[in-house]
Amino acid sequence: GAVVSQHPSRVICKSGTSVKIECRSLDFQATTMFWYRQFPKKSLMLMATSNEGSKATYEQGVEKDKFLINHASLTLSTLTVTSAHPEDSSFYICSATPLQGGLYEQYFGPGTRLTVT
Amino acid sequence: AQSVTQLGSHVSVSEGALVLLRCNYSSSVPPYLFWYVQYPNQGLQLLLKYTSAATLVKGINGFEAEFKKSETSFHLTKPSAHMSDAAEYFCAVSGPGANSKLTFGKGITLSVRP
Repeated sequence: GAVVSQHPSRVICKSGTSVKIECRSLDFQATTMFWYRQFPKKSLMLMATSNEGSKATYEQGVEKDKFLINHASLTLSTLTVTSAHPEDSSFYICSATPLQGGLYEQYFGPGTRLTVT
Repeated sequence: AQSVTQLGSHVSVSEGALVLLRCNYSSSVPPYLFWYVQYPNQGLQLLLKYTSAATLVKGINGFEAEFKKSETSFHLTKPSAHMSDAAEYFCAVSGPGANSKLTFGKGITLSVRP
């Protein structure tokens, strides 16, 4: 149980285009989903916290107009990188916290490798 | 405010040797502590967690960690390393709320020599 999927697993796009990454909780409902960015050989940097039906909360320094987050249902959150540039190339990982409380842990997706050319 | 310190970036052990990965935390509230493992180009897998119950926590793959409040530590150990343990290990801290944010350490790369 507690499986989180991401799609696509790998994407290459041209500079100036937008790309959408999906994060789904497959066997549980998630009150909250988190989006992280990981640079090579670096730790995870929290980008934003997403709650179903409300606006995402972005961390300081993260451009909300560039990284659009939508959490339309209890099992799906999307991250759209708008007008992507090579510096947006990174490994993006989502996580989800179950609706049923008490677990106090996040379940992580397998990540999406974004390369902007 | 919360933070995690993982000293060093790389630990190398021989197969069969003890694995010790250090983690110290700082938290203004009672912490929840986690160890995650990441294999190349994959997401994070939870090894174990401390959530204010037993201070000695056993996890998957033979790993365990002990919460020591006096030392603000949560070191990860495994008695005998296996080649398959080679990966990146992250210690993380969160507050007690179910939807609290995780703050990660910078990670430690574990290498296992044959």
